Amino acid sequence: DAGVIQSPRHEVTEMGQEVTLRCKPISGHDYLFWYRQTMMRGLELLIYFNNNVPIDDSGMPEDRFSAKMPNASFSTLKIQPSEPRDSAVYFCASSQTGTGIYNEQFFGPGTRLTVL
Amino acid sequence: TQLLEQSPQFLSIQEGENLTVYCNSSSVFSSLQWYRQEPGEGPVLLVTVVTGGEVKKLKRLTFQFGDARKDSSLHITAAQPGDTGLYLCAGRGRPGGYQKVTFGTGTKLQVIP
Repeated sequence: DAGVIQSPRHEVTEMGQEVTLRCKPISGHDYLFWYRQTMMRGLELLIYFNNNVPIDDSGMPEDRFSAKMPNASFSTLKIQPSEPRDSAVYFCASSQTGTGIYNEQFFGPGTRLTVL
Repeated sequence: TQLLEQSPQFLSIQEGENLTVYCNSSSVFSSLQWYRQEPGEGPVLLVTVVTGGEVKKLKRLTFQFGDARKDSSLHITAAQPGDTGLYLCAGRGRPGGYQKVTFGTGTKLQVIP
């Protein structure tokens, strides 16, 4: 089975442009997470979904960020307008209910975003 | 907000040396996980510990959960270049919050051949 798939792997854009990051979770997983990783702040949870419904978006930095999950196999993270401080590696991860406290999150390879 | 501080932040050692990485918090966690992340990839789970004082071994890696479930350590014996990577601890808070974890600040390990 394929792992978590993210696209694009690299994105370079100019300040003010809209950026859309995409994620396909592992089939059968009912939780999906979006993280941002930087040297300064480490790995931060932005938002997570359960059965396509957003559960906790308290980590979303500001209104410029939005995330959707229209179905069980696809999610997007959008930044509009983008700013240089949004430059980071964005990870998508998925997990499956049923393993309790042993639950494992499976991460995608990440999207490296550079905003000039 | 539950914070997980890792130390050291960076570690560069020679192949064959031993090392210990620490993960500390003032909060109690229901479980603690360790992930390893290699350059250009996402983190991959190594182990989960759930009981205070629990020790788990994975080949040359030994993981321990503190008695009070506020801290954890990762010990690597005879480090090899393949151990190079970013090590992240991740804690789960209240038992009902199984799916959401808080990641530590990370320890970047370089093992020189």
